Amino acid sequence: DGGITQSPKYLFRKEGQNVTLSCEQNLNHDAMYWYRQDPGQGLRLIYYSQIVNDFQKGDIAEGYSVSREKKESFPLTVTSAQKNPTAFYLCASSIGTGAYEQYFGPGTRLTVT
Amino acid sequence: AQKITQTQPGMFVQEKEAVTLDCTYDTSDQSYGLFWYKQPSSGEMIFLIYQGSYDEQNATEGRYSLNFQKARKSANLVISASQLGDSAMYFCAMREGVGGSQGNLIFGKGTKLSVKP
Repeated sequence: DGGITQSPKYLFRKEGQNVTLSCEQNLNHDAMYWYRQDPGQGLRLIYYSQIVNDFQKGDIAEGYSVSREKKESFPLTVTSAQKNPTAFYLCASSIGTGAYEQYFGPGTRLTVT
Repeated sequence: AQKITQTQPGMFVQEKEAVTLDCTYDTSDQSYGLFWYKQPSSGEMIFLIYQGSYDEQNATEGRYSLNFQKARKSANLVISASQLGDSAMYFCAMREGVGGSQGNLIFGKGTKLSVKP
């Protein structure tokens, strides 16, 4: 089955710890994205990558970092510098960055206390 | 200013009836794309329908259609013959520019649709 996997579904961390969220796709898509969703809000873009070894900041990149060493994988690290990290994180991919729909993973709900 | 505005935080519809979810957008680009996504309570985002700014016909996908009024900058989603499984959050999104652009989507705040039996 082709798709996007994110693990784990729920993640709990103590304040001050870095945490890495995984995102893997087997759709052979070039572009991948990370979004954050807060309660009652739409999605906001954190980072995106159009191709391996390249990525760009989105609207709310502060306190986050990413890597794109393989086409299939686009992990997101939530660092201790992120002031309000508790949120729902969604990864997506698309064939390219043109007029293509984005396919989303099931999301990871991160709680930091 | 918001680029995507969804003015209905919540909507109710009777099963088997049609419902329209509103979306207005703001862009100065001539070339852009409009998307609708469904988010059930489980959290995943499901792509429903796409409309390009140069498409002359309104997009349709099964029970979903997009009422695209370019001059009014609106892209309303119409769901026909509502089903209980349609109960979810619905998000309108826009991508500005096509080809060589960033490609990231700008989302509205969503409309929560509840279908009554």
